[in-house]
Amino acid sequence: EVQLVESGGGLVQPGGSLRLSCTASGFSFSSQWMHWIRQTPGSGLVWVSRVTGDGNTKDYADAVKGRFTISRDNAKNTLYLQMDSLRAEDTALYFCAISRRSAGFDSWGQGTLVTVSS
Amino acid sequence: EIVLTQSPDSLAVSLGERATINCKSSQSVFYSPANKNCLAWYQQKPRQPPKLLIYWASTRESGVPDRFSGSGSGTDFTLTISSLQAEDVAVYYCQQYCSVPPDTFGQGTKLDIK
Repeated sequence: EVQLVESGGGLVQPGGSLRLSCTASGFSFSSQWMHWIRQTPGSGLVWVSRVTGDGNTKDYADAVKGRFTISRDNAKNTLYLQMDSLRAEDTALYFCAISRRSAGFDSWGQGTLVTVSS
Repeated sequence: EIVLTQSPDSLAVSLGERATINCKSSQSVFYSPANKNCLAWYQQKPRQPPKLLIYWASTRESGVPDRFSGSGSGTDFTLTISSLQAEDVAVYYCQQYCSVPPDTFGQGTKLDIK
């Protein structure tokens, strides 16, 4: 059974940094693209970033490009999202997710809440 | 970036009746190499992550009840629940995965019992 467990969320001041983690099990982690998706009450579901199984190719949404960095440690079956220069509009519930068939996100974690506020 | 617009934003349907949710794409999401449409549907209940219901516009995910069906092609798609059950109360989202990045989602449709 696929399991994705996010952690690392919390309250941070504008301009601050936070690193999210997603620990995976139940599938071949190093073979899968991994994604971060965030959700806010106002903006719904928004894709944030993705990384290939080998970690060499990374993509970002325009809203986070230059501020967020996705990475992974395949030895630890863990995905990361380093978030720098945080803004109030980054406040959201952050999910990690996979798409094993490249057709929709078939598994999601429960999410970790990031709040950016002074 | 492909924009997905769902309609309605919310609806209320009686138990046992049909519920229909629409998703319109700003560009075609037909993927010629696969001869399929890159459109997925999700169900999200309170305090839970989204759950994949349908992919390739009409293929049900394993374990999803057959009262859920997806249809459409190109730019216009529909999620139909043939006979609404109480456990179907949720927010439903469409998503395209053709023109990526970014994957994009519709704004969501809230489904309640009338």
